[in-house]
Amino acid sequence: EVQLVESGGGLVQPGGSLRLSCAASGFTFSSYSMNWVRQAPGKGLEWVSYISSSSSTIYYADSVKGRFTISRDNAKNSLYLQMNSLRAEDTAVYYCARDDYGDQGYFDYWGQGTLVTVSS
Amino acid sequence: AIRMTQSPSSFSASTGDRVTITCRASQGISSYLAWYQQKPGKAPKLLIYAASTLQSGVPSRFSGSGSGTDFTLTISCLQSEDFATYYCQQYYSYFFTFGPGTKVDIK
Repeated sequence: EVQLVESGGGLVQPGGSLRLSCAASGFTFSSYSMNWVRQAPGKGLEWVSYISSSSSTIYYADSVKGRFTISRDNAKNSLYLQMNSLRAEDTAVYYCARDDYGDQGYFDYWGQGTLVTVSS
Repeated sequence: AIRMTQSPSSFSASTGDRVTITCRASQGISSYLAWYQQKPGKAPKLLIYAASTLQSGVPSRFSGSGSGTDFTLTISCLQSEDFATYYCQQYYSYFFTFGPGTKVDIK
């Protein structure tokens, strides 16, 4: 069974940093591209970042470029999101999402999400 | 970035109704469109990809159509478990974008 479990969320002050993790199981993690998608409270979905299976290709939404860094460790079946210079508008539930096999661009499995709250 | 719009933003329907949600892209995206269902407090669930291909395990009352800029999601006979918010997503460009969502609630 495919499982994605996010962790690392919490309350952080504006300008602070946080590192999210996503632990993957039930599939060959190293064969799949991965993404982070976020959802502000009561709002819609916003794609945040993409990383290819080998980490050779990475993309970011303009809203987080230069502040967030996506990475992965295929030996540990884990995906990460390092978030720096956090702003109030970064407050959201952050989901990790698997790209369907073959780097399709749509997301066939999602984690349960981890809440990040940026507030003083 | 490719902008996605959806209509309506919300509506009320009854069990057994046939419902249609529309999604429009700001530029042509061929058939690179997915639909997701999200219930409160839960992660989104993939329903349809490639505009009209049903994801494994999704009931056949869900269907999708369209290409280019205009797409539709149809639920042929609404069930109680279908009351949720629905999002479209384009993957024509790697800067993936979602529509704002359509909330379907009980009349």
